[in-house]
Amino acid sequence: ETGVTQTPRHLVMGMTNKKSLKCEQHLGHNAMYWYKQSAKKPLELMFVYNFKEQTENNSVPSRFSPECPNSSHLFLHLHTLQPEDSALYLCASTTGTGFSEAFFGQGTRLTVV
Amino acid sequence: KNEVEQSPQNLTAQEGEFITINCSYSVGISALHWLQQHPGGGIVSLFMLSSGKKKHGRLIATINIQEKHSSLHITASHPRDSAVYICAVSPNFGNEKLTFGTGTRLTIIP
Repeated sequence: ETGVTQTPRHLVMGMTNKKSLKCEQHLGHNAMYWYKQSAKKPLELMFVYNFKEQTENNSVPSRFSPECPNSSHLFLHLHTLQPEDSALYLCASTTGTGFSEAFFGQGTRLTVV
Repeated sequence: KNEVEQSPQNLTAQEGEFITINCSYSVGISALHWLQQHPGGGIVSLFMLSSGKKKHGRLIATINIQEKHSSLHITASHPRDSAVYICAVSPNFGNEKLTFGTGTRLTIIP
């Protein structure tokens, strides 16, 4: 248990569906991240939020829409995804102080059919 | 070429062997992280280094800033050490996002 909780753990969705991934941290951290891990590729950054403000979008397609209502919660809204979007989506948090260890959730394994 | 390179990609060893995983990076960093990922996906932070050496139990991590190189060592390896070990870097002070290597899949045979 790292203090970062992701739900759901597994998700299968059709290309026309809309779904959301949720991440919650109770560590008092101020920065939250979405990372994507595709097969045979390194983890890659998607979005960064600092103090609820989006500070980085790593050229992510608009079919992925993040939301950070407060420093403890982060969502990733999904719509009209493609099969190549199937991957493990990991949420992480850091203190936001500039030099911090990262704490990761267990990930959501997404399959787009 | 990736900014973070790891070797080897796969490593199989007998229980009890001394394990070394290497990481080289090509960018300026504020910190280097060693992470462990078990089947199922969750990632745990093992070390965060900005200089020198750190030890936790049977795990040792070292970093050489001048050579832009880090190593993760496991002494007296055990089957429960089987996992993917990932090297990642934070690009500069004030920015805690991570850039990752491709990982090393370690299998320890009893």
